[in-house]
Formats: sequence, structure tokens, C-alpha cells
Amino acid sequence: DAGITQSPRHKVTETGTPVTLRCHQTENHRYMYWYRQDPGHGLRLIHYSYGVKDTDKGEVSDGYSVSRSKTEDFLLTLESATSSQTSVYFCAISVGTSGITGELFFGEGSRLTVL
Amino acid sequence: AQSVTQLGSHVSVSEGALVLLRCNYSSSVPPYLFWYVQYPNQGLQLLLKYTTGATLVKGINGFEAEFKKSETSFHLTKPSAHMSDAAEYFCAVTSPTGNQFYFGTGTSLTVIP
Repeated sequence: DAGITQSPRHKVTETGTPVTLRCHQTENHRYMYWYRQDPGHGLRLIHYSYGVKDTDKGEVSDGYSVSRSKTEDFLLTLESATSSQTSVYFCAISVGTSGITGELFFGEGSRLTVL
Repeated sequence: AQSVTQLGSHVSVSEGALVLLRCNYSSSVPPYLFWYVQYPNQGLQLLLKYTTGATLVKGINGFEAEFKKSETSFHLTKPSAHMSDAAEYFCAVTSPTGNQFYFGTGTSLTVIP
């Protein structure tokens, strides 16, 4: 158990409202990731972080921003939610001796519905 | 960017039959390779991984996969399917720098009694 907690686990919101998803880890792993999972697309990387205040874009970053002010927390924000952002969002951390070549451990997911 | 192709979005096998889930990747540099399993309403769990060394990798629940560089493949197998194997399976590969992970679109495995 890599000690990953996502919140909220379920959220329904309306188009145009801001939404923030939180990922919390209990261990001091350097790399954290946000993915979205959609049918037919598998998991697609939104953003990732390689340290406090160090983040980079993934393949589907448009419409999303992230912040990491503490090692243990990685926040994903939808500034103005759209229906196309209805998805299941997974946070993951990379666990390995070198920090970047280990496997990913995933949270339980956050199901977001944008009406 | 790396890409991962999983042939067959849905695979059905009979209980006790061989499970074969296919994964091919595109990479100019041998990456690290992974198979993950996802049960309904859960996150992904690591089944097995290949980093270096022996190309036949054994994982949990009787699964194994073989890295074939010449074929850029990393197919997942299990000799005898069990009902509890019904789940979604994802193949993943790292970027050359190792700091990004790319996933296939997944294969849903159904096990028929």
C-alpha cells in the first residue's frame, strides 16, 4: 500500500464551475501523476510533478492546471469545467529505488461528472 | 512520444483456457514495460514489470509476460484462466527518460464458466 488518498471520490458539478481534485500521499515520493481514464482511450497523462513546485504537462493538459506546494499533496484544478472533462481521474506515484524507474501505484480514482 | 498498442479491446476465454493479451510498443530505446490490472471501480494494480535482465517475467496470480525486443512486444499470458481473472488489463511503457508512463487503451477480459 503506497498510501495514496484521492478526494473527493465522487463529484457532480455544472459546466463553467471550478473543480479541484486532491491527491495525498503518506510517503515522500518525488514523482506524482494525474491521469484521466475514458472508455476507448485507456489512461492519458494530464500533468505530472517531479518535486515541490516542479510540474510538467502531459498529453492532455489543456483545461487543467496543477500545483504541488508540499511533497505529499498534488492538486488538479479544472478552472472552468466542461462536459468533455467528465471522466475518472487517477492519481499515481512512482515508487522505485531511483524514483523514476519504478512502477506506478494508483489511488482509487475520482469520478467527476460535469453537467 | 511512446505509443502502446493493445490488440483486441475485448477478449473472452473459457475457464481453464489459455489467456493471451497482446501488447506492442513503439520505442527507439528499450523501455521499461508493465502490465496492470483494474477490477471494477478500483484503481490499477501492478501485475508485473520488465526493466532489465531476464525477458520472461513472472507476476502475481500466475501471469507472465515475455519481452521480445525484435518484435517490440510484451504479451501477457496465463496458462489457465480463472473466473477471478475477469478484469481490464493495461499495458504500459515508460518514456526514454523514465519519468513518464504511457498506457495502452486496455483489454477487457471475460472468463466464461
